[in-house]
This record gives sequence, structure tokens and C-alpha cells, in this order.
Amino acid sequence: QKEVEQDPGPLSVPEGAIVSLNCTYSNSAFQYFMWYRQYSRKGPELLMYTYSSGNKEDGRFTAQVDKSSKYISLFIRDSQPSDSATYLCAMSDSSYKLIFGSGTRLLVRP
Amino acid sequence: GAVVSQHPSRVICKSGTSVKIECRSLDFQATTMFWYRQFPKQSLMLMATSNEGSKATYEQGVEKDKFLINHASLTLSTLTVTSAHPEDSSFYICSATNTDTQYFGPGTRLTVL
Repeated sequence: QKEVEQDPGPLSVPEGAIVSLNCTYSNSAFQYFMWYRQYSRKGPELLMYTYSSGNKEDGRFTAQVDKSSKYISLFIRDSQPSDSATYLCAMSDSSYKLIFGSGTRLLVRP
Repeated sequence: GAVVSQHPSRVICKSGTSVKIECRSLDFQATTMFWYRQFPKQSLMLMATSNEGSKATYEQGVEKDKFLINHASLTLSTLTVTSAHPEDSSFYICSATNTDTQYFGPGTRLTVL
């Protein structure tokens, strides 16, 4: 079993839809949770960073962490075609070494 | 956010040659830099962690004599792929941090013929 599980998709939604992306994990020592966006042949770009449990909102993006269920989510409101990319969840313990999910490919149709 | 650059962005080399990839943190001093490898349609796999002025720590299964890492300053780390072979062809990405957040470079696509 992988430490971090993420549905690879692809996930196809119409423009303006609310997108929900999720990851589950097995290591209870993880306490730092991140979402990265990666366009094709580019490096990952940090979108959201959350420490421990709770919600965090930044513009159209909301990140949720539920440590009791070992489940994290990223919501994208009013999705745009420019949001089409691969979204990677990542998490770490106190060592700061990131463990990545496999990434979910998102396609937002105009 | 912080800016990390990589050079070159793309390199093609012959089998048996060595290739050096540079990773620079442009607007902050990075106490730690990480090197990742990413195969097509797969996630990032950590290869090694390097701290300025000390030897890199390699992940299990990564050959330290093949992937030489030097972190000579707080803004520069280099990865040298020695005696490259076609199976080393991949997307190599570095990240840099001085806190608990990693900022990634744009990646280097290595093709070994």
C-alpha cells in the first residue's frame, strides 16, 4: 500500500464547476500538507499549504485536512480552462521530506 | 513565492557521458535542497536531500556514485548524472527550502541517446 493515495483521473469538468480533489494517507506522523499544480513539462507550483488539521482558503482554492480520517481535499471554485493541469498532493512529517500522491489530471472544458 | 531556477531546461546527450544540472534559489538562501526524478505520467520520486556544506543523503535505491550532488553554497546545488544511460532519461526537478515549504524549479528534461 502506498503511503499517499490519489486518484489519477483524468477528471473532466465544465468551466465554472466546483472541483473536488482528494488524497488519503496512512502515516499518522504527517503534519504538513500541501497541494501543488503542475503543468505539462513544468515544475510543480505550490498552491496551498496547511499545517495540521483544518481549512484554509485562498481565492478560489480551499484546502481541507482531516487528520482523524487521514484525508485531505482541495476544492476549486468557478473552475477555469487555465486550471487544467495535474494536481499533486504532498505531505511530510517533521523531517520535511515530501511524499507525493500520484497526481490527478484535471481538464476544465470551455 | 520564492523563485528557484534550473539549468539547463533540456539536455540531450550520448550514452556514457556525464551531465550536470544546476539548481539555484534566486531570492532566498536555501538551507536544504532536494532532487527529484519524475517519469512520464508518474509522480515525483525523491532522490536525495542535500544540506549546504555537507554530504547529500540519498534515498534507498539511488546510486550515490551515479548521481553526484554538490551543495556548495546556500543558493546553488548541482546534480551530475555520471556515465548516463538511456534508462536515466527522465525529468529531474530540484526544490529548495529554508523553512517547511519547498519551492520547485522548472525541471530539466534529460534524454540519453
